[in-house]
Amino acid sequence: EVKLVESGGGLVQPGGSLRLSCAASGFTFSSYWMSWVRQAPGKGLEWVANIKQDGSEKYYVDSVKGRFTISRDNTKNSLYMQMNSLRAEDTAVYYCARDDAAPGFGDLGLDYWGQGTLVTVSS
Amino acid sequence: DIQMTQSPSTLSASVGDRVTITCRASQSISSWLAWYQQKSGKAPKLLIYKASTLESGVPSRFSGSGSGTEFTLTISSLQPDDFATYYCQQYKNYPYTFGQGTKLEIK
Repeated sequence: EVKLVESGGGLVQPGGSLRLSCAASGFTFSSYWMSWVRQAPGKGLEWVANIKQDGSEKYYVDSVKGRFTISRDNTKNSLYMQMNSLRAEDTAVYYCARDDAAPGFGDLGLDYWGQGTLVTVSS
Repeated sequence: DIQMTQSPSTLSASVGDRVTITCRASQSISSWLAWYQQKSGKAPKLLIYKASTLESGVPSRFSGSGSGTEFTLTISSLQPDDFATYYCQQYKNYPYTFGQGTKLEIK
């Protein structure tokens, strides 16, 4: 059974930092692109970033470029998101998702999602 | 960025109804479109990919169609479990973008 479990969310002040983790199991983690998607309270879904199987390619939405860094450790079956210079508008539930949608690489969409971890940026 | 626009934003319907949700892309995305269902407080669930392919385990009352810039999600006979919010998503180009969502409510 594919399982994705996020952790690391919490309350942080504006300008602060947080590191999210996503533990994967039930599939060969090193064979898949992985994505982070967020959802602000009461709002829709926003894709944030993804990373190739070996970490050699990473893509970000403009609003987080230069502030967020996606990474992975295939030896630990884990995905990460380092979030710096956090703003109030980064407040959201952050989901990790298995990504079989990368242009030129996959065509199945974001096929498995974790339950999410809430990040609240507030003073 | 490719903009995705769903209509309607809210849809009221009854069990047994046939309903259709439309998703329009600001430029052609071929068939690189997925549909997701999200229930309150839960993670999204993939329903359809490549515009019309049903994800394994998804009931056959769900279907998707379209290509280019116009797409539809149809539920042939609404069941109580189907009342949720539905999102389309393009994966033709980065950044992936989602529609704003369609909330399907019980009439």
